[in-house]
Amino acid sequence: GQQLNQSPQSMFIQEGEDVSMNCTSSSIFNTWLWYKQDPGEGPVLLIALYKAGELTSNGRLTAQFGITRKDSFLNISASIPSDVGIYFCAGQYAGGTSYGKLTFGQGTILTVHP
Amino acid sequence: GAGVSQSPSNKVTEKGKDVELRCDPISGHTALYWYRQSLGQGLEFLIYFQGNSAPDKSGLPSDRFSAERTGGSVSTLTIQRTQQEDSAVYLCASSLGTSNEQFFGPGTRLTVL
Repeated sequence: GQQLNQSPQSMFIQEGEDVSMNCTSSSIFNTWLWYKQDPGEGPVLLIALYKAGELTSNGRLTAQFGITRKDSFLNISASIPSDVGIYFCAGQYAGGTSYGKLTFGQGTILTVHP
Repeated sequence: GAGVSQSPSNKVTEKGKDVELRCDPISGHTALYWYRQSLGQGLEFLIYFQGNSAPDKSGLPSDRFSAERTGGSVSTLTIQRTQQEDSAVYLCASSLGTSNEQFFGPGTRLTVL
C-alpha cells in the first residue's frame, strides 16, 4: 500500500524561529493535506493542496505540493508557543478503491520554547 | 454542537470483551470515516461510508472489526473479542463528500487490559 514518510519526527525550537517539515510518498497523490493535532483532540486541517506545484499560504504557514505529486512540505514562520502540537501530512488519491480515504504520515512533534 | 462527536471519550475493557464506539457526524455530511491512531503514530484508515454506497472496508485489520452506519448518519464501530494490540485512539471524521475536507471528532481512547 501507499507509504508516507514524514520528517523530522520531532523538533525543539525557540520562539520566533522558522520550522520546516516534509513528507514523501512511494506513490502519487491528487491532494496533499497538513493537519495539526493538539492533545486529546482530533486533527484539524491547516492547509489543503490540490495541484502539483501549488504553493499555498495560511497566515504564518506555507505549504507546497511537489511537482512529482509524491512530496509536500510545510513551513511555519516566526513560531509562537501555541504552535506546539503534532503536525501530520496526509495524502488523498481520488481514484479506484482509494477514493476519499487519507493516508497519514507518522507526525512531527513540535515543541516551542518561549 | 456543530462538530463531530464521539462516545465514549475513554473506554477500558478486558481482553476478550466486545466494545462499541459511536460517532455522530456533522449534520448533512454524507461521508464518514473511521481511523485508528496508535501511540506516537499517524492515523491508519479503517473504513469509510459514502451515502448509500457499499462501505470501503479495506482498512479493517481483522474480521473482529466491523462498522455500520444507520440511516446515513450515526456510525458504530464494533470490535469483538478485543486484544491488547487493539488499544489505540479511534477517530471518526465526516465530510460533505469524499473530495471535501474531513472534520475529525475528538476520538475514543480504547485501552484493552
